[in-house]
Amino acid sequence: GEDVEQSLFLSVREGDSSVINCTYTDSSSTYLYWYKQEPGAGLQLLTYIFSNMDMKQDQRLTVLLNKKDKHLSLRIADTQTGDSAIYFCAESTRDDKIIFGKGTRLHILP
Amino acid sequence: DADVTQTPRNRITKTGKRIMLECSQTKGHDRMYWYRQDPGLGLRLIYYSFDVKDINKGEISDGYSVSRQAQAKFSLSLESAIPNQTALYFCATSRGTMNTGELFFGEGSRLTVL
Repeated sequence: GEDVEQSLFLSVREGDSSVINCTYTDSSSTYLYWYKQEPGAGLQLLTYIFSNMDMKQDQRLTVLLNKKDKHLSLRIADTQTGDSAIYFCAESTRDDKIIFGKGTRLHILP
Repeated sequence: DADVTQTPRNRITKTGKRIMLECSQTKGHDRMYWYRQDPGLGLRLIYYSFDVKDINKGEISDGYSVSRQAQAKFSLSLESAIPNQTALYFCATSRGTMNTGELFFGEGSRLTVL
């Protein structure tokens, strides 16, 4: 079945780059997503990448997609305290569901 | 006002009680979803609906049922609540992957089953 895997925790010093990694199983995924959940809130789409792209950059965010290895990463440059949140990787499946990973909690060190 | 509204936001109930969580949306989206969030387990899909006449089971539908009363309304029921259904429940809507497939989430309903 479909599965999305990501590490549960990441600690990064303020000002450094954060890299959150994800692997997925459905090679037919049309879109892959990164969602952000701040404390006490629902999830919001941070960015997405279409499956025929290798990279997408949006201000401080860079998404890299390796389709051969089914690996997705999110790089946040110049990490700020406001970036502290849970980041979820997600994939669209062949039957149009959206499946999420367990989420990576990003902790910012001063 | 929120585009996706969930009620109640918090509920404490006892084992064996019937519970209904309601979701309404003003986004005009056909697709609606119910997810459950547990610490360390992420979001798991319970049920989803692509239009009013379409209901599909997700990863963890046992112990739950849903009703799509209208395009704008999708409710989740626990017929006989049990403690391991204690979780944060999210409703979401989408236009579908003919667009980007972006999900728009409500603020969540925290359910505690004693």
